[in-house]
Amino acid sequence: AQRVTQPEKLLSVFKGAPVELKCNYSYSGSPELFWYVQYSRQRLQLLLRHISRESIKGFTADLNKGETSFHLKKPFAQEEDSAMYYCALRVQGGKLIFGQGTELSVKP
Amino acid sequence: DTEVTQTPKHLVMGMTNKKSLKCEQHMGHRAMYWYKQKAKKPPELMFVYSYEKLSINESVPSRFSPECPNSSLLNLHLHALQPEDSALYLCASSQVQGTDTQYFGPGTRLTVL
Repeated sequence: AQRVTQPEKLLSVFKGAPVELKCNYSYSGSPELFWYVQYSRQRLQLLLRHISRESIKGFTADLNKGETSFHLKKPFAQEEDSAMYYCALRVQGGKLIFGQGTELSVKP
Repeated sequence: DTEVTQTPKHLVMGMTNKKSLKCEQHMGHRAMYWYKQKAKKPPELMFVYSYEKLSINESVPSRFSPECPNSSLLNLHLHALQPEDSALYLCASSQVQGTDTQYFGPGTRLTVL
């Protein structure tokens, strides 16, 4: 089965606190994983892809094939990080399978 | 131009109407996608076009009819829709199908009365 699971619908933290948004996947092939972010009233945009192993806006994500996870982390959350975050798995044919999303709320 | 644009932003239609959604990109991408996103839910793939040919149809009802007239343009023709078809319709494009990052448009918010 091809599936992406984001267990938290809503994650609320205070500014400056560490953040971890969880993502687990199920896929028999070689996974390609992405994090997309949707700020209020803005389009869905790519945040990270596991292939590039980069840090964007202070966020990082490491693919752990043993645990089939691709958790998104940031050491110090900012208020402007408040948004909906989607983990996505790309499968054969280029189809993106999205998780249910986690709404991150960063309080001042 | 490095964006995917979609028109209209909002559309309200009756169940007997015929309307079309339009998506455009000038990034030279040869793969274009339609997704449907219900409120508080993730996007779900509907169609994929690769080099102007339909590559994937995710068993979408025939009341949705995609069209790719050229490499920059993607349309979604709507006819006899149901109220449950009300959603945000997202267009995306990528360099080629399967291996490249997908870039999303802002979406068309469709309401079917």
